[in-house]
Amino acid sequence: KNEVEQSPQNLTAQEGEFITINCSYSVGISALHWLQQHPGGGIVSLFMLSSGKKKHGRLIATINIQEKHSSLHITASHPRDSAVYICAVASGNQFYFGTGTSLTVIP
Amino acid sequence: KAGVTQTPRYLIKTRGQQVTLSCSPISGHRSVSWYQQTPGQGLQFLFEYFSETQRNKGNFPGRFSGRQFSNSRSEMNVSTLELGDSALYLCASSLGARYYEQYFGPGTRLTVT
Repeated sequence: KNEVEQSPQNLTAQEGEFITINCSYSVGISALHWLQQHPGGGIVSLFMLSSGKKKHGRLIATINIQEKHSSLHITASHPRDSAVYICAVASGNQFYFGTGTSLTVIP
Repeated sequence: KAGVTQTPRYLIKTRGQQVTLSCSPISGHRSVSWYQQTPGQGLQFLFEYFSETQRNKGNFPGRFSGRQFSNSRSEMNVSTLELGDSALYLCASSLGARYYEQYFGPGTRLTVT
């Protein structure tokens, strides 16, 4: 049983395209995190959400608590956005991760 | 402000041995969490420490343990290593808890032979 499901698993886009990555979860949460992992392993936290919407540069994250769903949008995608994007939720005393979405942006 | 540091970065151990990994959080951060990442299982939560107390623990056997010191530095220990313990071990620090932004270290790559 996966508490967090992400889609798609893999995504290839042309530079400049608008990208959406989806995350659905089945548990009650106190927060949802979007993380970015580049080859080599380093993880960067992009957003932490408990409601609504957040924007940082070309990245936008939304969450719908009632539907237990979050989306990460990348506007005007760039090759440097190529990475694995991971959705994670803090639930009770646990922390659950999605399996990640591998994004490749082609110049 | 210096980021989260982890030592060592790479480690090779033999089955049955034990290993200790270290994590130094960002100055002022009191929470340190540990995670295991493997190709098969992805990222999994190990445990979280806040002010020297373990607050939360993931679903790992008792061979995995940790502690936090008064300066917020944290160590995790794995005893009686198994081949399946080969993984990237990541720590992350935050001001409070998992509903605060997490700042990740570069990880320690452990290989068990």
